[in-house]
Order: sequence, then structure tokens, then C-alpha cells
Amino acid sequence: SQKIEQNSEALNIQEGKTATLTCNYTNYSPAYLQWYRQDPGRGPVFLLLIRENEKEKRKERLKVTFDTTLKQSLFHITASQPADSATYLCALLILTGGGNKLTFGTGTQLKVEL
Amino acid sequence: KAGVTQTPRYLIKTRGQQVTLSCSPISGHRSVSWYQQTPGQGLQFLFEYFSETQRNKGNFPGRFSGRQFSNSRSEMNVSTLELGDSALYLCASSLGTGDSPLHFGNGTRLTVT
Repeated sequence: SQKIEQNSEALNIQEGKTATLTCNYTNYSPAYLQWYRQDPGRGPVFLLLIRENEKEKRKERLKVTFDTTLKQSLFHITASQPADSATYLCALLILTGGGNKLTFGTGTQLKVEL
Repeated sequence: KAGVTQTPRYLIKTRGQQVTLSCSPISGHRSVSWYQQTPGQGLQFLFEYFSETQRNKGNFPGRFSGRQFSNSRSEMNVSTLELGDSALYLCASSLGTGDSPLHFGNGTRLTVT
């Protein structure tokens, strides 16, 4: 069966360190992988998209890697700040001949402590 | 640009009733997707509409239905509510291409008693 797995346990790190979140998937061949941030009581907010033929993407303090052989994406936040505390979701898009069906992982909660 | 607007924000219904949720997408976005979010299951895809046509559907029973109007606004309907339908229902709009990100509203929190 198809699965998207993210660390279910919360990740606690110290301010200024690099946070690394993992997204593993099985039985998918995604065309795109996206990362979103969700704060309590709010909808997810798009952060980054990486294509299947891209290895790495960066945006300010964020970096995403995508390894289609390992079926894994890593999401890094460098110089983390307490404001980065949130739940981070990875999502896969499989092209089905029409339409957007973005399938989400269950998310990893990140807490950045002073 | 105004973001995605969902109404109402909160809703309390009784088992057996039906409910309609509304979503206004970002201007210019023709795709609207609906998701159900619960603590145990995370974000589950319900369906996607593009230019008034359902383009993709998730694995939910027929009690869950939707539609999209010519102005891209969308509604989702749940009939014969069950306790398990209690969840945060999120709507997201996009340009509708594979590489276009989803822009989510803040959801409708539905509680079924």
C-alpha cells in the first residue's frame, strides 16, 4: 500500500541550530514533492516545491532535498528561531492524467527552544 | 490579493443532519480542493474541482459531495452526519497545474454531537 511517513514524535531543538525533518514514502512515483507549514487553528501554508528531477531546492533559511532512489525528502531549517515552531507537512503529487491530488503526510511538530 | 475564505468558521451539528460548507478561492484560481483533517488521520483528500468539473476524488463515502460555481467558489455538502465526521475541513485553491502550490483557508471546524 502507499504510505507517506514523517516522524510522528515532536522534534525539539535549540535556537540557532539546524532542524532536519524527514519524509519517506513507499509505492509512489511522485512528480512533485511539496512542504507546508501549519500553525494551530490555521490552514497549511506552502513553503517549497521540488520536482522529481531536482536534487535540492533552497529558499532563504530553508533547504529541501529529494532522493527518488531512497524515496526520501529532507527538509532543513538553518539558524532556527522560536517562530519556526509549527507542524511541517510533506505532500506528494502524482500525475494521474488530470487533476491535482496532493497526498499529505501526517506531519512533524517542531519546537524551537530559547 | 485576498486569501482563501471559508465559512462558517465553526459549526455544531447533530447526527443525521446535513451540512454545507463554503469556500471562496483566490481570484484567478480555477482549482479548488477539499481536505478533511483529524488528529488520527491527518489531511485526507476529499475531491478537487476545476472549472466546475470534479477532476479528482478521494476515498470518502457518497455522503460527501461538492460542487463548484462559474465564479470558482465551491461548496461541500455532507449528508446524514456521523460522529466520525467531526473534523477540520480545509479548502485550498490553486492555478490547477501540477506544479502550482495549494493556498489553504483556515478551515471550518465541524463538531457532530
